[in-house]
Amino acid sequence: DTEVTQTPKHLVMGMTNKKSLKCEQHMGHRAMYWYKQKAKKPPELMFVYSYEKLSINESVPSRFSPECPNSSLLNLHLHALQPEDSALYLCASSQETSASEQFFGPGTRLTVL
Amino acid sequence: AQSVTQLGSHVSVSEGALVLLRCNYSSSVPPYLFWYVQYPNQGLQLLLKYTSAATLVKGINGFEAEFKKSETSFHLTKPSAHMSDAAEYFCAVSDRGSGNTGKLIFGQGTTLQVKP
Repeated sequence: DTEVTQTPKHLVMGMTNKKSLKCEQHMGHRAMYWYKQKAKKPPELMFVYSYEKLSINESVPSRFSPECPNSSLLNLHLHALQPEDSALYLCASSQETSASEQFFGPGTRLTVL
Repeated sequence: AQSVTQLGSHVSVSEGALVLLRCNYSSSVPPYLFWYVQYPNQGLQLLLKYTSAATLVKGINGFEAEFKKSETSFHLTKPSAHMSDAAEYFCAVSDRGSGNTGKLIFGQGTTLQVKP
């Protein structure tokens, strides 16, 4: 299984809602990543988890809260988001952070009303 | 600090014509280099990667890229464009080895249009 899965595919939420994005991989990878991608722009790194510990937080606002419950699963908890947070959220994984290749999921399209 | 520059935000070719997408990088250490493709409303798919083996790298869907250290370039080519190649292409760089934080630095992307 060489796939990274993400759920949901689409999410619409209000600014007062709490929601979560889920990412899963079963490749035995020990590094997992969250990226944010606005239209017509490259992905921007948000968080890196290595061996289930947060290793990089790219100064992301606290309304985004990542969680890595186990080595196969990565969540992104969302609370009190702003309309400008609307974007495609991509999850990726790699064998380790020193590995040469990241595998990307299909993304969750988030719309904040 | 590492950086990637993709020359040309939009490239248009005719079906069957040569595809050339340009990428220049800046890195203080020998880097890993990647080309990713993104189709509308989808994630990123790895086309090919350079990790210091052969300087000419062959990837999926007939694409290849050549690492030229003297020019700090990693241009992507395909001899004959197909309609299905129309997509967004991203060049990316990362550090290699144990110091690698896992951070990928992406270029701004190039939209490839293929005309019939």
